[in-house]
Amino acid sequence: GDSVTQMEGPVTLSEEAFLTINCTYTATGYPSLFWYVQYPGEGLQLLLKATKADDKGSNKGFEATYRKETTSFHLEKGSVQVSDSAVYFCALSDRGTDSWGKLQFGAGTQVVVTP
Amino acid sequence: GAGVSQSPSNKVTEKGKDVELRCDPISGHTALYWYRQRLGQGLEFLIYFQGNSAPDKSGLPSDRFSAERTGESVSTLTIQRTQQEDSAVYLCASSFQARETQYFGPGTRLLVL
Repeated sequence: GDSVTQMEGPVTLSEEAFLTINCTYTATGYPSLFWYVQYPGEGLQLLLKATKADDKGSNKGFEATYRKETTSFHLEKGSVQVSDSAVYFCALSDRGTDSWGKLQFGAGTQVVVTP
Repeated sequence: GAGVSQSPSNKVTEKGKDVELRCDPISGHTALYWYRQRLGQGLEFLIYFQGNSAPDKSGLPSDRFSAERTGESVSTLTIQRTQQEDSAVYLCASSFQARETQYFGPGTRLLVL
């Protein structure tokens, strides 16, 4: 079946540091890939998405590129801020299968940015 | 417009009691999803409604779990005879149409004592 694996946290960084959160997936169909973010005390928010190979999703300074050859969708930001402290979830929705529309999530990665 | 809302935000119950969790989707969204997030884990899909079609219940963990949706509006997730392992955050999401981007509510944190 489909699955998403992302790096364990917490990831602790200083402000203005470079952030990478690794995400790899297995899927039987044609997955769309997503990054969701959960800020403290808030609900999940869509951060960015990509629907086909080589697409790059971007939002709020974050980027992720859909790499079919390595089945990866790593999240990056060049200069983090304290306000980026949150839990980040990688997810997929597998088109062409019975799972299409049901998001399959990774376990989440907590990011802590210190001043 | 308003986002997805859920109530209650927190619920503490005793083992064996029944609980009802409510979700109000974004107006105009035809698809509605329930997920569960247990401590330290990712979200697990529970059930999915699309318009008037029969719901996809493939993620419900046991027959103690059920959900209803009235048309394209409110949904209620019911857990009967709660167990301690049901303790989790229950998240609702909606999308304009099936299989499109999902928007999540703040969740209901359920604690079964």
